[in-house]
Amino acid sequence: AQTVTQSQPEMSVQEAETVTLSCTYDTSENNYYLFWYKQPPSRQMILVIRQEAYKQQNATENRFSVNFQKAAKSFSLKISDSQLGDTAMYFCALLGGATNKLIFGTGTLLAVQP
Amino acid sequence: NAGVMQNPRHLVRRRGQEARLRCSPVKGHSHVYWYRQLPEEGLKFMVYLQKENIIDESGMPKERFSAEFPKEGPSILRIQQVVRGDSAAYFCASSRDRITYEQYFGPGTRLTVT
Repeated sequence: AQTVTQSQPEMSVQEAETVTLSCTYDTSENNYYLFWYKQPPSRQMILVIRQEAYKQQNATENRFSVNFQKAAKSFSLKISDSQLGDTAMYFCALLGGATNKLIFGTGTLLAVQP
Repeated sequence: NAGVMQNPRHLVRRRGQEARLRCSPVKGHSHVYWYRQLPEEGLKFMVYLQKENIIDESGMPKERFSAEFPKEGPSILRIQQVVRGDSAAYFCASSRDRITYEQYFGPGTRLTVT
């Protein structure tokens, strides 16, 4: 079975500071993908960043970057220069196997304080 | 260039009624996924469909729930004889094909059962 664990239910960060959200996962697949999704109060699911497991280089998207530790099965998200608009629920997700279903963690609620 | 469309955005049903949720995928996408988000939880996979085929329904409750994705028209998630526990946000996602790993999410349908 594939699982995704987010152990931080809530996090808080000051505007312009850096914050790291944790995620660990478990899978027996050799080929898989990892994602971070953002869900603001509008509840729309927005893809923040993705990582292919076969790539050793950590993915980056502007202020968002990941620390992918394949052996430790860890996939953390770093948000630099936090902005008020980053306030949202963040979900870590795993996709692997034949049927393409995403397995989500329980989420981390991030509050950016002015 | 429309993304995934879902309607209605909000649906209120009394216990025992039927709920029909519609999803129009991104133009050119032939794979659709349905996920359910219960209050204060992450998204849980329900079913994966290709046009006229159910690929994986391992996340669907055994009774009252059904899904289809006909050759023409939107994908439909149908819930018969709704109960209060069905109250949730239902998200649809689509992908171009089975190999493409990125899923694009719709805005969700919030179902409330009174």
